[in-house]
Amino acid sequence: GAVVSQHPSRVICKSGTSVKIECRSLDFQATTMFWYRQFPKQSLMLMATSNEGSKATYEQGVEKDKFLINHASLTLSTLTVTSAHPEDSSFYICSAPGLAGVVKGPQYFGPGTRLLVL
Amino acid sequence: GQQVMQIPQYQHVQEGEDFTTYCNSSTTLSNIQWYKQRPGGHPVFLIQLVKSGEVKKQKRLTFQFGEAKKNSSLHITATQTTDVGTYFCAGGSGTYKYIFGTGTRLKVLA
Repeated sequence: GAVVSQHPSRVICKSGTSVKIECRSLDFQATTMFWYRQFPKQSLMLMATSNEGSKATYEQGVEKDKFLINHASLTLSTLTVTSAHPEDSSFYICSAPGLAGVVKGPQYFGPGTRLLVL
Repeated sequence: GQQVMQIPQYQHVQEGEDFTTYCNSSTTLSNIQWYKQRPGGHPVFLIQLVKSGEVKKQKRLTFQFGEAKKNSSLHITATQTTDVGTYFCAGGSGTYKYIFGTGTRLKVLA
């Protein structure tokens, strides 16, 4: 099946630093990837759609200068949380449509990255 | 904006009992997906429904898409401890985006 990896799985950083999270599709190509944020015991909130070769599309209320997204290749998307603050602490998960060319199909999620900003 | 609500928020059942979670969208959906997230894990795709009134089964799980394509349900027959987790529906509205429901957390008591 389609496998998506994320790195790191857990990161602790000081307030004001930037953190980069990588999302990779391991056995398939993903021209589109999605980035979600999940607070404890809550639902997944779509932050942005990452598009290979073009700019990401951000959801309303998500600061694009705060959450930088780069879709460098057909298998890699990165999310950089710039100048992180404690309120950015959360579980960040990426996903990719597992069926080539079918963006509306099943999404395959990475294992997630737990960010704690001190 | 579009909202997708699920009820109940929590459900505790004895092993062997049935369980149902309901998903309701504020707008008509083009399709709906269901995911399961185990504690500490990530969402795992279960199924996708597209047609009005569609019913699909996966072993003990039965999924239904409403006639008006604004609601859906997931029913588990004879729950097992392995069914523990949070079940999310995700509504598709015709674009590439899916709006996730609020989720139902299931606990199964042995």
